[in-house]
Formats: sequence, C-alpha cells, structure tokens
Amino acid sequence: ELKVEQNPLFLSMQEGKNYTIYCNYSTTSDRLYWYRQDPGKSLESLFVLLSNGAVKQEGRLMASLDTKARLSTLHITAAVHDLSATYFCAVSRKFWGSNYKLTFGKGTLLTVNP
Amino acid sequence: DGGITQSPKYLFRKEGQNVTLSCEQNLNHDAMYWYRQDPGQGLRLIYYSQIVNDFQKGDIAEGYSVSREKKESFPLTVTSAQKNPTAFYLCASSQNRQGTDEQYFGPGTRLTVT
Repeated sequence: ELKVEQNPLFLSMQEGKNYTIYCNYSTTSDRLYWYRQDPGKSLESLFVLLSNGAVKQEGRLMASLDTKARLSTLHITAAVHDLSATYFCAVSRKFWGSNYKLTFGKGTLLTVNP
Repeated sequence: DGGITQSPKYLFRKEGQNVTLSCEQNLNHDAMYWYRQDPGQGLRLIYYSQIVNDFQKGDIAEGYSVSREKKESFPLTVTSAQKNPTAFYLCASSQNRQGTDEQYFGPGTRLTVT
C-alpha cells in the first residue's frame, strides 16, 4: 500500500522567511503533484514533477523530486501572506494500461504572519 | 470555458436519506474520480471511472454508489449506509493517456447530515 507523508503538518512562519515542506512516499513512483487549497475551496494544481531530479519554480515556490530517495520538497522563498493555504502532495500510481490513481498526503497548513 | 462543475455547493440532509451529488465536466476527459475530504485530512478516493459504463471502488467505497452513463457526468450517491457522511466532496477528472494523468478538480460540495 502506498503511503504518503508530509511534514510538517502545520507551519507558521513570518513574512520574508524561507522554509521547506517535505513529502515522503513509500513505493516507487515517477510522478508527483503539488496542490494548493484555500479554506473552503477546491484544489489548485501547482506543480507536476515527472522524473527524477525534476525541479520546477513558480514565483516564490520551488518544487523538486528525488525518486531514489522517494522524496519531494516544496521550498518557499521570502514568504508573503498570500501564500497562506494548505499544500498537498500527491503521488501517482499506474495500475494498468494508462490508468493512474493519486494518493494524497494529509496536507501542510501554512500560515504566513506579518 | 472548459472545466468541472459540481452542484450543489452546500447540501443539508437528515440522517437516513440518500443524497446525490452532481459532477459534470466538459474537458473531454476519459477518467473521473470522487474524493472525500475531512477536516485536517488529505483526500481519500471513493470511486473512479476510466471509461463510460465502467467504474471501480476506491479506498472508502462503503456507503456510496456511482454511475457513469455519459462521458461528461459522474454522479455520486451517498446512501444511508454511510455512517459518517458529513464531509467535503471533490470530483476530479483526467485525460489518463500516457503522460497525461494530471487530475483537475471541481469546486466541491459540502454535505452536512444531521
């Protein structure tokens, strides 16, 4: 059974600071996704990481994937209040043909304080 | 505009009543999914469908039923057999062809059963 663990689950940080959210998973997978969720809202796709060593950046967020270590990181640079949200990683499993299922971590609730 | 719609946004029901949540997509995606989210938790897969007239149980299918009579539609029925139905329900779809398994999410339905 695939397990996905995120840490920390809660993160309170000051504006302007840097921090990293970690996502570990238990079985081999080549695809990993990061999503953002605002309170009461749906999930917004942030990054799709498709291969070992993949690194993607958008604004103050940068995501990376190490498939050998089964680890992805989401790095926040110089945080601003607008980044306050819950961040989920999700690992894709191919189970037959071209069919995939996602397993989600529990999410990291990020609060950025002035 | 292409996207996924879910209705209603909020739904209130009494215990013992079945209720059906709507999910429609106009993205021409083959696969559709239903997830449940509880406070402070990640998403858990209820049912998924790769093609019309075919669907499979996810990790927490007990007390739920689905149908997939049209490519665009994947309604979820929460039956009276579901012991803890109050939750946020998210529908998603994906193209699910080689290299394109990214899931896109609808806005969600918040179900409250009293």
